[in-house]
Amino acid sequence: KNEVEQSPQNLTAQEGEFITINCSYSVGISALHWLQQHPGGGIVSLFMLSSGKKKHGRLIATINIQEKHSSLHITASHPRDSAVYICAVSSGDKLTFGTGTRLAVRP
Amino acid sequence: DAGVTQSPTHLIKTRGQHVTLRCSPISGHKSVSWYQQVLGQGPQFIFQYYEKEERGRGNFPDRFSARQFPNYSSELNVNALLLGDSALYLCASSLRGPISYTFGSGTRLTVV
Repeated sequence: KNEVEQSPQNLTAQEGEFITINCSYSVGISALHWLQQHPGGGIVSLFMLSSGKKKHGRLIATINIQEKHSSLHITASHPRDSAVYICAVSSGDKLTFGTGTRLAVRP
Repeated sequence: DAGVTQSPTHLIKTRGQHVTLRCSPISGHKSVSWYQQVLGQGPQFIFQYYEKEERGRGNFPDRFSARQFPNYSSELNVNALLLGDSALYLCASSLRGPISYTFGSGTRLTVV
């Protein structure tokens, strides 16, 4: 079993829909990261969480430390949100990544 | 301020050859970590360096090595390349892990 599990693996949505991507982890962590990767490879850090909830524009990230679970929500989705969203956890000096959720938002 | 820069952006090598990938962190960042991302998978941790010392190593063979220079830039070296080494190699810098990371755009290595 992977230390970081994401669901779903693939997600197709219609423009304007509310999207949720889930992440569960099985190790002790100091922080959880949500990252966005576009075709071509570059990774952008969206959020770093150690507790509670953060919001940036249409993106919201939450974490439940007791349940070892985090969610990334996208409100009013747009085709430019199409990307791979990756959950990663910090433990010690390294990041452990999930396999990513490939999101396609159709106009 | 420039972000994390990696060079080269693309590279094609033959099996058995050696490759050196380079990473320049954001100014002021002293921690650099390297990740390998095989197509369709999440990145896998290779190394982390802080203040020129190795602070973490992932489950990679000894063909993989790295170092960090006094200016905090870093090199990843891979010897005796295998076809399975074909991947996107990502570098990330931070003030010190584990806090917010900034990633480079990666070096796409193809081994033929």
